[in-house]
Amino acid sequence: DADVTQTPRNRITKTGKRIMLECSQTKGHDRMYWYRQDPGLGLQLIYYSFDVKDINKGEISDGYSVSRQAQAKFSLSLESAIPNQTALYFCATSDSRTYGDEQFFGPGTRLTVL
Amino acid sequence: GQSLEQPSEVTAVEGAIVQINCTYQTSGFYGLSWYQQHDGGAPTFLSYNALDGLEETGRFSSFLSRSDSYGYLLLQELQMKDSASYFCAVTYKNAGNMLTFGGGTRLMVKP
Repeated sequence: DADVTQTPRNRITKTGKRIMLECSQTKGHDRMYWYRQDPGLGLQLIYYSFDVKDINKGEISDGYSVSRQAQAKFSLSLESAIPNQTALYFCATSDSRTYGDEQFFGPGTRLTVL
Repeated sequence: GQSLEQPSEVTAVEGAIVQINCTYQTSGFYGLSWYQQHDGGAPTFLSYNALDGLEETGRFSSFLSRSDSYGYLLLQELQMKDSASYFCAVTYKNAGNMLTFGGGTRLMVKP
C-alpha cells in the first residue's frame, strides 16, 4: 500500500468551480506540503504545515487554501478555479526528526481547468 | 528571491558518467538535496549534503561546496532507466524552512 495517497488522481473542471484535492499519509510524519508542477518545470510550494495547528504560505499561495484536518490528512482547495491553475499537484510529507528532512511524495493529481 | 540554476537538458550514453551541476544563491541554508522524477511519476529522494564534500550512494554521488555556492550529482555506469529529470533543492534558513527546488535537468540516456 502507498504511504502517501492523493485523491483524485485526475480531475477536469470548469472555470469558477470549487475543487478540493485530498492527501492522506500512513507514515506518521508531522510535516505535510502541497506543491504545483507545470510541464517541464520544477516544483513550486503552495502551502506547508509543520503540525496540525501550523499552516504556512509557500511561494504561490494566491488562489489556494488548505486544511490540516488531522496529522495524517492535508487538503488543498481551489475556491474558484481558473485555467492557469491547470497543473500537476503533489502532496509530500517529511519527518522533522529525520536528518536531512527527506520528503516523500504522493503520486500526484493532474488537474485541468477548462 | 531564492533561486537555483541547473542545466535544462543533458544527454549521455549507456555506461558513461554524467555530472549535473547546481548553483544556488549564496545565503544561509541547511543543506542541498537531489530528487529524481521519471516521466509521469512522483519525485523521489536521492541524496542530501549538509557538509562540504562527496556523499556516495551506489552509482550516484552528490557533492557540495558552500564556498563556491555549488553542488553536483554524479551518475556513474549510466543505465537506460536513469533517463529522468533530476532536481536540486535547498532549505534556506531565512525562508521558513521551505524547500526550494531548481528547475530540473532532463537526462536522456542513449544506447
